[in-house]
Amino acid sequence: AQSVTQLDSHVSVSEGTPVLLRCNYSSSYSPSLFWYVQHPNKGLQLLLKYTSAATLVKGINGFEAEFKKSETSFHLTKPSAHMSDAAEYFCVVSSTSGTYKYIFGTGTRLKVLA
Amino acid sequence: DADVTQTPRNRITKTGKRIMLECSQTKGHDRMYWYRQDPGLGLRLIYYSFDVKDINKGEISDGYSVSRQAQAKFSLSLESAIPNQTALYFCATQRQSGNTIYFGEGSWLTVV
Repeated sequence: AQSVTQLDSHVSVSEGTPVLLRCNYSSSYSPSLFWYVQHPNKGLQLLLKYTSAATLVKGINGFEAEFKKSETSFHLTKPSAHMSDAAEYFCVVSSTSGTYKYIFGTGTRLKVLA
Repeated sequence: DADVTQTPRNRITKTGKRIMLECSQTKGHDRMYWYRQDPGLGLRLIYYSFDVKDINKGEISDGYSVSRQAQAKFSLSLESAIPNQTALYFCATQRQSGNTIYFGEGSWLTVV
């Protein structure tokens, strides 16, 4: 069985400071992992994905995530937060059963303070 | 124009009414999905379809039905809406051999 846990439901940072959104996963097989962002009244947009290539994955808007198998983690980071980063972020693990069903975390709402 | 289009974007309906949410895509993807989003619960899979003749239940299919009218169209129906079906609904598509899922902008449904 696969599962994903986002460790913080809300994160607040000041503009210009680093962002860390934490995600742990559980998977019986080598997983595919994703981060999606959802801005208010918008759909989900893919930030980045890990599919067993490089463990450090770079995404859009300066975000990156590192796959750490020993820690079963896939934390999302950004060196310097921007006001436009305020949104909800979802960590997702993809089933490897052949159906490619996604399992979503419960989301982390990022607030960026001026 | 959006690659994955959902209609309506917002709807208020009464308990017991039938409501249909429609999804169309221009990405040419074979796989289509319907998800439901509730605060604090993330997204949960309602139904999915890997091609026009393939329909599968997700984790929360009770109270819902779907129809895959064409490769590009996948509709979700609530035959008799109830208040706890008030949620944000997302349609999504996926290329058969790929792994990224692409989402529509969502349909807010309120059942009163």
